[in-house]
Amino acid sequence: QSVLTQPPSVSGAPGQRVTISCTGSSSNIGAGYDVHWYQQLPGTAPKLLIYGNSNRPSGVPDRFSGSKSGTSASLAITGLQAEDEADYYCQSYDSSLSKVFGGGTKLTVL
Amino acid sequence: QLQLQESGPGLVKPSETLSLTCTVSGGSISSSSYYWGWIRQPPGKGLEWIGSIYYSGSTYYNPSLKSRVTISVDTSKNQFSLKLSSVTAADTAVYYCARLTVTTWYFDLWGRGTLVTVSS
Repeated sequence: QSVLTQPPSVSGAPGQRVTISCTGSSSNIGAGYDVHWYQQLPGTAPKLLIYGNSNRPSGVPDRFSGSKSGTSASLAITGLQAEDEADYYCQSYDSSLSKVFGGGTKLTVL
Repeated sequence: QLQLQESGPGLVKPSETLSLTCTVSGGSISSSSYYWGWIRQPPGKGLEWIGSIYYSGSTYYNPSLKSRVTISVDTSKNQFSLKLSSVTAADTAVYYCARLTVTTWYFDLWGRGTLVTVSS
């Protein structure tokens, strides 16, 4: 059971918008710690997608955006494409457990 | 372009110690801007942070693994290493090494990962 809670799966048709939630508590996201997101394509290592709640590293399309409010954060993907099909993980810092990940969300492009 | 590469045995016997090394190339491990970490992923499951180390040797470990984990650094070889003792089948996973930014605490660069299977 992960400290950060994500839905196991989400899906959407090409071109649609999907969101993935990441729910924490007062010892991590709610304590003001940043949330980061990673994309893991099948059979590959995770790749940084969003850092510091809403910042995109160089090379990440602006179709990907992040936000944070209270004890939760969200990743939004607009203009869904087939190549977005992957597992997505949120990550933050927890005052008692240090670095923590969400359980991961599998995105299926219909 | 900085790269990380994990190396070590792919098969470890139960109760023995798992040992992996991460070699950093294309940059120095002695940067003041980064920690270096280990993350693992059991087959079909999510990511779990194991621990992190600074070039000075300062370490932070996941409390759930702390009693079995040792992470060390060798700046002369630009490497850092993981030792996990008393392994069981539950420690079977892909082990990743990664670079961790100081203060913002995200993993911005990852190795490709190496599968370690615990089996007799």
